[in-house]
Amino acid sequence: QVLLVESGGGVVQPGGSLRLSCAASGFIFRNYGMHWVRQAPGKGLEWVAVIWHDGKNKDHSDSVEGRFTISRDNSKNTLYLQMSSLRVEDTAVYHCARDPGEDAEMDVWGQGTTVTVSS
Amino acid sequence: QAVLTQPSSLSASPGASASLTCTLRSGINVGTPWIYWYQQKPGSPPQFLLRFKSDSDKHQGSGVPSRFSGSKDASANAAILLISGLQSEDEADYYCVIWRASGVVFGGGTRLTVL
Repeated sequence: QVLLVESGGGVVQPGGSLRLSCAASGFIFRNYGMHWVRQAPGKGLEWVAVIWHDGKNKDHSDSVEGRFTISRDNSKNTLYLQMSSLRVEDTAVYHCARDPGEDAEMDVWGQGTTVTVSS
Repeated sequence: QAVLTQPSSLSASPGASASLTCTLRSGINVGTPWIYWYQQKPGSPPQFLLRFKSDSDKHQGSGVPSRFSGSKDASANAAILLISGLQSEDEADYYCVIWRASGVVFGGGTRLTVL
């Protein structure tokens, strides 16, 4: 069974840091690109970052560039999102998603982990 | 101006067809990129529906019924998700997506109500 399970969310003060994890199982993780996508309460989907299968190429949205870093450990079948300098507007459910073609076709999604930035 | 613009809501009757539009910002030719469509139901993560570039270049998501299809309207510079034979289970939010040099871009989403 192909599965993505996010963890690491929580409540953090503005300016704080968090590291999200996404544990993958049921497929050969190192063969797939991976994305983070977030959804603020009551809002639409917003792409956050992508990393290619080997971790050598990655990209971040303008809204998180310089504050968030996507990474992966293929030996642990795990995707990460290191978030720093968090802002109230980063409050959202963060989903990881698998991308077989390393473009924008995200064919498997996790249920998400909730990040709340509040003082 | 947003890169991808979708109407915020659309209503249609069971059994009818619904056309969900996704208009690309001026300067981005709809004929060029792949357009991806996602469906999201309340409380659930999004699900990939299909990707469309042209009538000869398209891909349906695994298990996605053929009554979901994509097209493009060059005159309107828009991508279209057509859902035929609407069912109550199709009530959801629908997002169009493109890949650009700057990364992935989601449209604002259309809430489809089936009533």
